[in-house]
Parts: sequence; structure tokens; C-alpha cells
Amino acid sequence: DAGVIQSPRHEVTEMGQEVTLRCKPISGHNSLFWYRQTMMRGLELLIYFNNNVPIDDSGMPEDRFSAKMPNASFSTLKIQPSEPRDSAVYFCASSLSGGITGELFFGEGSRLTVL
Amino acid sequence: KNEVEQSPQNLTAQEGEFITINCSYSVGISALHWLQQHPGGGIVSLFMLSSGKKKHGRLIATINIQEKHSSLHITASHPRDSAVYICAVPLGGSQGNLIFGKGTKLSVKP
Repeated sequence: DAGVIQSPRHEVTEMGQEVTLRCKPISGHNSLFWYRQTMMRGLELLIYFNNNVPIDDSGMPEDRFSAKMPNASFSTLKIQPSEPRDSAVYFCASSLSGGITGELFFGEGSRLTVL
Repeated sequence: KNEVEQSPQNLTAQEGEFITINCSYSVGISALHWLQQHPGGGIVSLFMLSSGKKKHGRLIATINIQEKHSSLHITASHPRDSAVYICAVPLGGSQGNLIFGKGTKLSVKP
């Protein structure tokens, strides 16, 4: 199994530009999670999907952030316009169950730097 | 006050030592994750437990639901165990709806 695949691994962009991060969950997993990790705040949940439907997006910092999951094998996290404070590592994870069981499998992360 | 607190924040050990990392939480339902993050950045799920004890190789995780406390033990520690260990508690709805501790940075010297 290829695991959770994220792209790009690294992105450097200028303030104001649009950034799109991509995630392919493990085949058959029905829950997908986007997390952000910064030195100041550590790991935080941004949004999660169950069966392609967004369940809780209360962690999304503001309207500049949006996430979609058009099908079971693909999700995007978009930042428009980007700001320097968005610089962080963004992790995607998937799990087999959307209930109270289910081990999490993380991608390698996308390291975003906004200049 | 952090809702998930880990101690210690940093830990240096000699190879072969027995290591304990603690996690206390004030929120969440009756389960807890232990995660490992190596210097390269990738995150691996070590354990998800809701009661008692789980063991995987040299790693042992215990949880006391009544006291809202969990410990991660590493026996016969090795330099390759050097990593950040993070505990996280689900808030409900899904096991991935997590609130995270700040992590414990472990360094095992040869």
C-alpha cells in the first residue's frame, strides 16, 4: 500500500498567491483529516471529512482557507490569498472508520513557506 | 491551561535506559493516541487505546480513564527512538478529531 500521499512536499510562495495542497488517502479509508503544525501552536485539526462530506471545519482559521473532497481518493486544501503566518507544515491523514475506532495514517506533510 | 499536557517537554537518556513519558488530559472521550514524529517530520501512530495497556515491541502504553492519564514507556531505549512523542485525545465524532499535546522531545545518546 502506498500510504497517504501528499503534494507538494515543499512549497515556497509569495504573500497574496494562491496555494493548493493535495492529498490522496489510503484506498478504502472513509475518513480524511487536515492538520497544521507550527512551532508556536503545535498540531491542530483544521477540518475532517467522512465519506467525502465535511463534518467539522471549525478549525479552519479563516475564510482564506477552504478544503474539498470531490471523491474518495482526493482532497485539496486551498489558501487564497496566502499570508506569511500561514507558513507551517500541513499534514493529511486518513482512517478506516469515522467512528470511535480506527488508527490514523499520516502523509509526509507539505511544508509551506509564505514570504 | 492546556487541555492535553505532556511531561517532560524534553528528555535525554542513555542507550538502554527505561523511559517514561506522561500525558494528562482534561477533555475528550475515553480514548487516547500516542504518535511519534521523527526529525524528518513524518508522523506515525504508535497506539490508540481506551483502557488498560498495549504493547508493541519495546513500547508500552497505559491509560487510566478515571484519572485521565496515560503513560508511554520505552524499554531498553536506543538512539533510533530519538523523536518527538505526542499524545492526542479525540474530542468526539471521529478518532481523528484530535486535540494534541505539545510533545516530548526524546534524545537517546549511544
